[in-house]
Amino acid sequence: EDKVVQSPLSLVVHEGDTVTLNCSYEVTNFRSLLWYKQEKKAPTFLFMLTSSGIEKKSGRLSSILDKKELFSILNITATQTGDSAIYLCAVEPTNRDDKIIFGKGTRLHILP
Amino acid sequence: NAGVTQTPKFQVLKTGQSMTLQCAQDMNHEYMSWYRQDPGMGLRLIHYSVGAGITDQGEVPNGYNVSRSTTEDFPLRLLSAAPSQTSVYFCASHSTYEQYFGPGTRLTVT
Repeated sequence: EDKVVQSPLSLVVHEGDTVTLNCSYEVTNFRSLLWYKQEKKAPTFLFMLTSSGIEKKSGRLSSILDKKELFSILNITATQTGDSAIYLCAVEPTNRDDKIIFGKGTRLHILP
Repeated sequence: NAGVTQTPKFQVLKTGQSMTLQCAQDMNHEYMSWYRQDPGMGLRLIHYSVGAGITDQGEVPNGYNVSRSTTEDFPLRLLSAAPSQTSVYFCASHSTYEQYFGPGTRLTVT
């Protein structure tokens, strides 16, 4: 059965810390892996990863994919209270008739 | 370009009532989906569509119907609301590179 597993489920750190969020997957016919940030509203898109070993970066956020070991990490450096959110990982299959599979998310809370 | 719009933002139903959640996108995306989000469950796919006239069931389709008569619209119908359908509902449309979510509908069934 296809699945996406995120860890940890929740994380509390102090402002300025660096955090690493994990996403592992078991999906047949992998196409891409997606990261989202969800605050109080709808999830907002962060990254799409399709190739192994190529880091995607946006400000203090970065992500990388390992297609051999079937996981991705999302790094946030110098965390700020505004980074507090649920971070969702999702995997998209090659066949567009198949559904996107979401993990349950990591709830990140940044203490001031 | 409004992206993905959903109405209503909030809704309270009584058990047994029916209603339709509206979703529209103006990006000409073929792929649209409905999700529900519950605490500890993440996002779960209800129904999805890969184009006008084509719909398919997701992970939790029971109690919901969809139709896709146009590329732009993808309404979700609750046939007979139940308290277990209390949730936040997100509509999404999908391009080759990313997925856009609507603002969500918070539904409470009493």
